[in-house]
Amino acid sequence: AQKVTQAQTEISVVEKEDVTLDCVYETRDTTYYLFWYKQPPSGELVFLIRRNSFDEQNEISGRYSWNFQKSTSSFNFTITASQVVDSAVYFCALSDSGSGGYNKLIFGAGTRLAVHP
Amino acid sequence: GAGVSQSPSNKVTEKGKDVELRCDPISGHTALYWYRQSLGQGLEFLIYFQGNSAPDKSGLPSDRFSAERTGGSVSTLTIQRTQQEDSAVYLCASSLTGRQPQHFGDGTRLSIL
Repeated sequence: AQKVTQAQTEISVVEKEDVTLDCVYETRDTTYYLFWYKQPPSGELVFLIRRNSFDEQNEISGRYSWNFQKSTSSFNFTITASQVVDSAVYFCALSDSGSGGYNKLIFGAGTRLAVHP
Repeated sequence: GAGVSQSPSNKVTEKGKDVELRCDPISGHTALYWYRQSLGQGLEFLIYFQGNSAPDKSGLPSDRFSAERTGGSVSTLTIQRTQQEDSAVYLCASSLTGRQPQHFGDGTRLSIL
C-alpha cells in the first residue's frame, strides 16, 4: 500500500534559520513520483517539485533544496535562510501505478512551518 | 496564464440540501482531479478525469457524491443530501496529462449547518 509520512506536525523557526522538512514514503512500485506542495494561508496548493524514482540527484532551486534517498525511502525538503514568507503548510505526496496510472496523489498530513521575524 | 478556477469560494448550506461545486481547469489541460481537504482526514483524492476515458471514481466516499466533466473542460462536483461530515475544502486540480504535475485551484470551502 502507498503511504506518505510527515512526522513533523509543526515547526517554528526564527528568520534566517535553515529548516528541513522530513518526508518518508512507502510504495511497492519501482516507478513512482514524489512531490512537494506549499499551502500558504491563502489556501491554494502551490506545486514546488516533482521527482521520479529513477532520478536520485538532489535538486537546488534558490533557497530550496531536496534530498531524495531511495535507500531510506525519504524525500526531504530544506529551506535555507528561511523568511517569513515561507510560513505555510508543506505537503509531500506520492503517485505510483497502484493509484491506477499515476493519477492519484497520496498526500502526507503536512508540516506547518512558522517563520518568525 | 489563468490558473484553475473554482466557484463558489465559500458555500454554506443546510444539512440535507444538494450542492454543486464548479471547476474550470487550465486551458489545454486534459486531466482534471477533485480532492477534499478536511481536518480529520487531510487531503484525499476523490475523482479523476482524463480526456474521454471513464473517470476514476475510486475516491468518492459515498453514492451521494458524483462528478461530471462536460466537453473535456469544466467539471462539476455534486453532493446530494449533504451531511455535516461533508464540511471541508474541495480542491480541484488539472494537469497537462495524467503524469504531469497537478496545479490546484483555491478551493471551495463547504460548510454544512
